Amino acid sequence: DTAVSQTPKYLVTQMGNDKSIKCEQNLGHDTMYWYKQDSKKFLKIMFSYNNKELIINETVPNRFSPKSPDKAHLNLHINSLELGDSAVYFCASRRLAGSSETQYFGPGTRLLVL
Amino acid sequence: TQLLEQSPQFLSIQEGENLTVYCNSSSVFSSLQWYRQEPGEGPVLLVTVVTGGEVKKLKRLTFQFGDARKDSSLHITAAQPGDTGLYLCAGEHGSSNTGKLIFGQGTTLQVKP
Repeated sequence: DTAVSQTPKYLVTQMGNDKSIKCEQNLGHDTMYWYKQDSKKFLKIMFSYNNKELIINETVPNRFSPKSPDKAHLNLHINSLELGDSAVYFCASRRLAGSSETQYFGPGTRLLVL
Repeated sequence: TQLLEQSPQFLSIQEGENLTVYCNSSSVFSSLQWYRQEPGEGPVLLVTVVTGGEVKKLKRLTFQFGDARKDSSLHITAAQPGDTGLYLCAGEHGSSNTGKLIFGQGTTLQVKP
C-alpha cells in the first residue's frame, strides 16, 4: 500500500494556466506538507497543515493556494503558472506530536511550464 | 534565515572507497535527519539523530551529530554502486512546533564499479 501518494506524477502545461496537484496519505498522520525541489535539487518547505489548519506558510507567491479538505488530503492549486514554477513538488506527512518524528514523502509531481 | 550548509555537493568515487558528507550550521537543532533520494522518487529517511555527540550506524553508513547539535556527518565505508543517489540532511528546531525541516543543498554521490 502506498503511504503518501500524489497525482499527477507528470504535469506539462502552458504559461498562464491554472493547475492542481493532489496528495493523499493513509498513515493516519495529522500533519501534511508541500515542498518544492528546484533544478539544483534544493528542497524547500512551502506549506503545512495540521488537522486541516494552516501552520506553515513560507514566502510563496499567492498564486499558490493549498487546501486540506481533511487530515488525509492536502491539495495545491497554482494560478497563472509561470516558467519559474517548473520544479518537482513533493508532499509529505508526519505525526506532529513529539520531535524527530519521521516525515514520509510522496513520489513527487514533475511540473513543466512551457 | 536558518541555513544548513552541506558539502560536497557532488562526489564521484570508485567502488570500495570511503567518503564523508558534512552538514554544518550556526543554528542549534533539536534533531537532524539524513535522507536518501533516488531519481524519480521522494526522499526516504535513513536516520534521525537527536543527542549531541550521538553516533548511529546503519550497515556501512555511520552518522554523527555534533556535540553542540549544530553539525552532522555521514560516513560511508567501502562504497558500492548501490549507494549512488542524492543524500540530504535536514534539521528541525526545538522551538518549532510545526515539524518544519530545513534542508541542506544535497550531495549527489556516484559510485563507479
